[in-house]
Amino acid sequence: AQSVTQLGSHVSVSEGALVLLRCNYSSSVPPYLFWYVQYPNQGLQLLLKYTSAATLVKGINGFEAEFKKSETSFHLTKPSAHMSDAAEYFCALNGAGGTSYGKLTFGQGTILTVHP
Amino acid sequence: DAGVIQSPRHEVTEMGQEVTLRCKPISGHNSLFWYRQTMMRGLELLIYFNNNVPIDDSGMPEDRFSAKMPNASFSTLKIQPSEPRDSAVYFCASSPQVDGVSGYTFGSGTRLTVV
Repeated sequence: AQSVTQLGSHVSVSEGALVLLRCNYSSSVPPYLFWYVQYPNQGLQLLLKYTSAATLVKGINGFEAEFKKSETSFHLTKPSAHMSDAAEYFCALNGAGGTSYGKLTFGQGTILTVHP
Repeated sequence: DAGVIQSPRHEVTEMGQEVTLRCKPISGHNSLFWYRQTMMRGLELLIYFNNNVPIDDSGMPEDRFSAKMPNASFSTLKIQPSEPRDSAVYFCASSPQVDGVSGYTFGSGTRLTVV
């Protein structure tokens, strides 16, 4: 079985501050990991993905994430928050192979609020 | 590329009525996924198709739910009869490959309200 846990359902930062959204996963096979962003009344948009290449992955809008196998983590960061980053962020796992092949399992989401 | 297209964007129906949600995936994408999003349960995978064939429907909550993909460019999710607890946002997503390595492209969703 595979699972994704996002630590903190709400994160609040000031504009210009570091953004850190936490994601831990559980998978019996090497995972593919993703971060998605959802703006109000919209679908999910892919921010970045890890597919067993470089462990530090850069995505759109200045976001990046680091895959740490020893910690089973894939935390999302951005050095300086913008007001436009306010949204809900989802971490997702795709177990490469096995019965979960091709199926994304999502975390519960983290709502990011950015204060002026 | 118009992306994944879902219709309608909003649907309000009375309990007991049949509801049909529609999805047009990105041309050339071989896999299609239906998700449901609620505050209580988050994002739940209902069913997914590869090359128009249903691969895993274990997430379909009840026999009231059914999904079809008659061709590579169209899929439907039907609820019959609908109940208030079916109220949610339903997303369709497509992917070039069944392994999902490329990630999914999501549609804008259909917000279903059953009264």
